[in-house]
Amino acid sequence: KAGVTQTPRYLIKTRGQQVTLSCSPISGHRSVSWYQQTPGQGLQFLFEYFSETQRNKGNFPGRFSGRQFSNSRSEMNVSTLELGDSALYLCASSLTGTWGETQYFGPGTRLLVL
Amino acid sequence: AQRVTQPEKLLSVFKGAPVELKCNYSYSGSPELFWYVQYSRQRLQLLLRHISRESIKGFTADLNKGETSFHLKKPFAQEEDSAMYYCALLIYNQGGKLIFGQGTELSVKP
Repeated sequence: KAGVTQTPRYLIKTRGQQVTLSCSPISGHRSVSWYQQTPGQGLQFLFEYFSETQRNKGNFPGRFSGRQFSNSRSEMNVSTLELGDSALYLCASSLTGTWGETQYFGPGTRLLVL
Repeated sequence: AQRVTQPEKLLSVFKGAPVELKCNYSYSGSPELFWYVQYSRQRLQLLLRHISRESIKGFTADLNKGETSFHLKKPFAQEEDSAMYYCALLIYNQGGKLIFGQGTELSVKP
């Protein structure tokens, strides 16, 4: 089975711009979660989607949003980029996101905001 | 509040020495804990989960609810064990989310 894939792998943007990141889960997985990884804050949960619905949200400003499509692929959008948004954005998938399930991670998209 | 603490940022040992990476958690519910590992230039991958009670690559971890700990252990470290290790707590509330510790970098010297 192919693993979780994320595109693009690298992005450079300037402050004020917006960006969209994409995640394709493992085939058959319907839950997709997003995490932000930075040297200072570590790995932080952004949100989780299942069947095109956001079920869980972390403590991030409204500039961070996402969506999920009927094929379970997910996108994450960050508007009005700030320097502090520079990070590795990880996507993870699991079957249904229920208790006890393992989340499988993608390679990440490294975003640099200048 | 839900929290995962990994007190050591860096742990350096010699090959063949025992290793213990510490993890403590704070959670009022029934915990579901994982250890993830990130080798250099590779993606984050599951090492083991407490529910399985298995040993992967010689690593084991036991959940101690009394001490709220889930320490990762290996009796004899290998150079290929050098990596970042993250302890994570799965919270389920209409969907699962992982709460990660800050990570411990394990360096195994020859």
